[in-house]
Amino acid sequence: KNEVEQSPQNLTAQEGEFITINCSYSVGISALHWLQQHPGGGIVSLFMLSSGKKKHGRLIATINIQEKHSSLHITASHPRDSAVYICAVIDAGGTSYGKLTFGQGTILTVHP
Amino acid sequence: DAGVTQSPTHLIKTRGQQVTLRCSPKSGHDTVSWYQQALGQGPQFIFQYYEEEERQRGNFPDRFSGHQFPNYSSELNVNALLLGDSALYLCASTGTGFTTEAFFGQGTRLTVV
Repeated sequence: KNEVEQSPQNLTAQEGEFITINCSYSVGISALHWLQQHPGGGIVSLFMLSSGKKKHGRLIATINIQEKHSSLHITASHPRDSAVYICAVIDAGGTSYGKLTFGQGTILTVHP
Repeated sequence: DAGVTQSPTHLIKTRGQQVTLRCSPKSGHDTVSWYQQALGQGPQFIFQYYEEEERQRGNFPDRFSGHQFPNYSSELNVNALLLGDSALYLCASTGTGFTTEAFFGQGTRLTVV
């Protein structure tokens, strides 16, 4: 079993829909990243959070440390949101030195 | 302020050859981590460099080695290339502290033929 599991693996939506991507992890963490990867490879960090909720524009990320679960929400989705969204955690262990463990990613396609 | 830069962006190598990939971290960052991302998979941790030394390593063979220079830039070397080494290689930099936000380069797409 992977340490970081995302669902769904693939997600197709119509423009304007509300989207939720989920991430569950099995290890104690000090922080969690939500990342966006477009075709071509470059990764952009959307959020880093260790508790509660963060919002940036149409994106909202929440985390429940006790339940070891995080969600990424996109409101009023747009075709330009089409990308791979990846959850990555920083292990809380003292020897992790900020190493990231990644989920397998969620491929989001938003149709006009 | 330049972010993380990687070079080259693409390259093609033949089995058995050696390759060197390069990464310049974001200004102010002193830690560089390398990740391998196979097609359709999440990135896998290769190793991390801090203060010019390999601080920790993932489950990769000794064919994968690296270096960090005094200006914090880093190289990833892969010897005796295998077809299975074909992947996107990502560099991420972080600052001091284990929970500083990571910044990623655009990656180097390596194809081994």
